[in-house]
Amino acid sequence: EVQLVESGGGLVKPGGSLRLSCAASGFTFSSYSMNWVRQAPGKGLEWVSSISSSSSYIYYADSVKGRFTISRDNAKNSLYLQMNSLRAEDTAVYYCAAMATTQYYFDYWGQGTLVTVSS
Amino acid sequence: EIVMTQSPATLSVSPGERATLSCRASQSVSSNLAWYQQKPGQAPRLLIYGASTRATGIPARFSGSGSGTEFTLTISSLQSEDFAVYYCQQYNNWPPALTFGGGTKVEIK
Repeated sequence: EVQLVESGGGLVKPGGSLRLSCAASGFTFSSYSMNWVRQAPGKGLEWVSSISSSSSYIYYADSVKGRFTISRDNAKNSLYLQMNSLRAEDTAVYYCAAMATTQYYFDYWGQGTLVTVSS
Repeated sequence: EIVMTQSPATLSVSPGERATLSCRASQSVSSNLAWYQQKPGQAPRLLIYGASTRATGIPARFSGSGSGTEFTLTISSLQSEDFAVYYCQQYNNWPPALTFGGGTKVEIK
């Protein structure tokens, strides 16, 4: 059974930092591009960042470029998102999502972790 | 950036009836379009990719059509478990960006 389990969310003050993790199991993690997708409370989905299977290619949405850093550890079947200089508008549930190589839609999703940026 | 527009925002349908959801792209995305279903408190689930191919385990009552800029998701006979929010997502403009529509909520009439 495919599982993606996010952790690391919580309450942080504006300007603060947080590191999210996503633990994967049940599929060949090293063969998939991995992504972070977020959803602000009551809003739609927003793609945040993507990292290719071997970490060769990394992309960010303009809204987080320069503040967020995506990384992965294939030996640990884990995905990470380092979030710095957090703003109120970064408040959202953050999902990790797997994308098969050469396919650019999201096959598998985690249950999400809530990040709240507030003073 | 390609903008995806979904309509209507809310669709009220009785169980057993047909639901038709629309998704429009601001420029052609060929057939590089996916649909997702999201129930309250749950993660999205992939329904359709390539505009018309059902994902593994998705019932045949879900069908997708369209290409270019106009797409449709049809649920032929709504079941109670189908009441949810549906999102379209284009992946033609990748990299550098993947974009979602704003969603259509299918509610019980």
